[in-house]
Amino acid sequence: TQLLEQSPQFLSIQEGENLTVYCNSSSVFSSLQWYRQEPGEGPVLLVTVVTGGEVKKLKRLTFQFGDARKDSSLHITAAQPGDTGLYLCAGDRQAGTALIFGKGTTLSVSS
Amino acid sequence: KAGVTQTPRYLIKTRGQQVTLSCSPISGHRSVSWYQQTPGQGLQFLFEYFSETQRNKGNFPGRFSGRQFSNSRSEMNVSTLELGDSALYLCASSLVFSSGELFFGEGSRLTVL
Repeated sequence: TQLLEQSPQFLSIQEGENLTVYCNSSSVFSSLQWYRQEPGEGPVLLVTVVTGGEVKKLKRLTFQFGDARKDSSLHITAAQPGDTGLYLCAGDRQAGTALIFGKGTTLSVSS
Repeated sequence: KAGVTQTPRYLIKTRGQQVTLSCSPISGHRSVSWYQQTPGQGLQFLFEYFSETQRNKGNFPGRFSGRQFSNSRSEMNVSTLELGDSALYLCASSLVFSSGELFFGEGSRLTVL
């Protein structure tokens, strides 16, 4: 059983479209992170959310942490080809435990 | 500031052999974590080391082992390689233990034939 479920698994869109990626769990997380991974590279941290209901913006990317701290979403406005990559959510359930990753959403943005 | 360095980047082994992968963390980072990434399972946690001690361990068989040196550099070893061990092995470092904010290397791509 995957602790963090991400959807959709794959997403292929045109430049300029908006999209939302979801990360869901039945467990409560003390914090949740979003990473992006490009081919041939390791994941790169985009954001950390720690408070239920928290919303963070990073240029065209908007991240939200659910009120109950069990889920999160990533919304991209006006996607660009440079947004192409594997988006991973990750979380730690309590202090001292390892960071757990979802399987990721592969995003392809074509011009 | 140099990032996380992993060596080798690519390697090919045959079943039954063993392999050692190396990771040099960002200067000042004392925690090193290892993950296995495959298309089917995604990133699976292997273990985390902090101050030369293994602090967390994932659900992998004993063939997978690791260690950390006094300069925070880390190695992981896989013995008696199986075909299913083919994967990208990622090392990540962080300032503190059990941090959600990890800095990853580019990975070591292992192919087992």
